[in-house]
Amino acid sequence: DADVTQTPRNRITKTGKRIMLECSQTKGHDRMYWYRQDPGLGLRLIYYSFDVKDINKGEISDGYSVSRQAQAKFSLSLESAIPNQTALYFCATSDRAEGGGNYGYTFGSGTRLTVV
Amino acid sequence: AQKITQTQPGMFVQEKEAVTLDCTYDTSDQSYGLFWYKQPSSGEMIFLIYQGSYDEQNATEGRYSLNFQKARKSANLVISASQLGDSAMYFCAMKGGRGNDMRFGAGTRLTVKP
Repeated sequence: DADVTQTPRNRITKTGKRIMLECSQTKGHDRMYWYRQDPGLGLRLIYYSFDVKDINKGEISDGYSVSRQAQAKFSLSLESAIPNQTALYFCATSDRAEGGGNYGYTFGSGTRLTVV
Repeated sequence: AQKITQTQPGMFVQEKEAVTLDCTYDTSDQSYGLFWYKQPSSGEMIFLIYQGSYDEQNATEGRYSLNFQKARKSANLVISASQLGDSAMYFCAMKGGRGNDMRFGAGTRLTVKP
């Protein structure tokens, strides 16, 4: 099994629908992140969580909400999907260490979301 | 605020030649980490190489090396002996000492020609 699992892998939804993207991890990491990737813009941070009770907005949180149900689970919701939320969404985890040291992210395989 | 800049949207290289992908960054943190990730057409993010801000030696991982010039705030990725399988998007990223969230550049699409 993958260390970080995202479901679904692909999803097409209609404008105005509520949709939830799920992420679960077996790394035992405290920190979890949601990013979206758009062509020419790289990955941009939507929300991040340092533990179950610590949720923080990222660069582009408008139109999104998150839930950290447990250390291992971090869900991203689009309350009312719109076409410009069409993107590739990544969940990632990291451990507690700060900048020094090779403590990068473990990424999920991504969810390709299309809003029509 | 942290910022990562990749100025090359696309690059071409002949198979077996070396290629350098540029990355500059801006941060006020003293302690930070620099990362390169590869994203093939399948979409997954593959970690390639890491450089810590206090590391005196440039990082190397097989055919990948990171040309770290701290005073210029650059962290270029060098791929030696390019292979067809190196064709992919490459992202430079930085993680600062305080927030621990990672910021990414816009990416460079590398195409290796046979």
